[in-house]
Amino acid sequence: GDSVTQMEGPVTLSEEAFLTINCTYTATGYPSLFWYVQYPGEGLQLLLKATKADDKGSNKGFEATYRKETTSFHLEKGSVQVSDSAVYFCALSLSGGSYIPTFGRGTSLIVHP
Amino acid sequence: SQTIHQWPATLVQPVGSPLSLECTVEGTSNPNLYWYRQAAGRGLQLLFYSVGIGQISSEVPQNLSASRPQDRQFILSSKKLLLSDSGFYLCAFDSGSTDTQYFGPGTRLTVL
Repeated sequence: GDSVTQMEGPVTLSEEAFLTINCTYTATGYPSLFWYVQYPGEGLQLLLKATKADDKGSNKGFEATYRKETTSFHLEKGSVQVSDSAVYFCALSLSGGSYIPTFGRGTSLIVHP
Repeated sequence: SQTIHQWPATLVQPVGSPLSLECTVEGTSNPNLYWYRQAAGRGLQLLFYSVGIGQISSEVPQNLSASRPQDRQFILSSKKLLLSDSGFYLCAFDSGSTDTQYFGPGTRLTVL
């Protein structure tokens, strides 16, 4: 079946450090890929997405590139802030019909001042 | 614009009591609707999803049930809560064609 694997957390960084959160996937077909962010006590919200190979999604300084050859969608940010502390979820979905999105287990990011 | 509402935001219930959590969506028609649960420090567990009125699929057999009485209303219920039902409950929807899921603010349920 389809699956998403994320690096285990928590990831702990100092402010202004470089961030990478790894995400790899297996899927039948050609999925869309997503990163969602969940701030403490809130629901998830879409951070960025990419719908086809080599697409780069970006938002709020975060970026991720859809790599079909390595089945990966790693999340990066050049300089993290304390306000980026949250849980990040990688997910995939296949368009059409009643396909249920597949989520990774989430990676907690803690940024210290 | 599309919005999703959940209530209540927090709930403390005794073991054995009933439960009703409600979710409503605005700004879209015939959405796919989902109920997820998050245990503390863990990922998302899909509980139920619905592709239309009266159509409910259960992913995890347990003492919870879901109903969709209207196109944009999704209700999570239980007749008798267990301690293990404690968690953070999230409702979500997507429109099918865009794939992106939109989540509500969640309900923090504590069963004592």
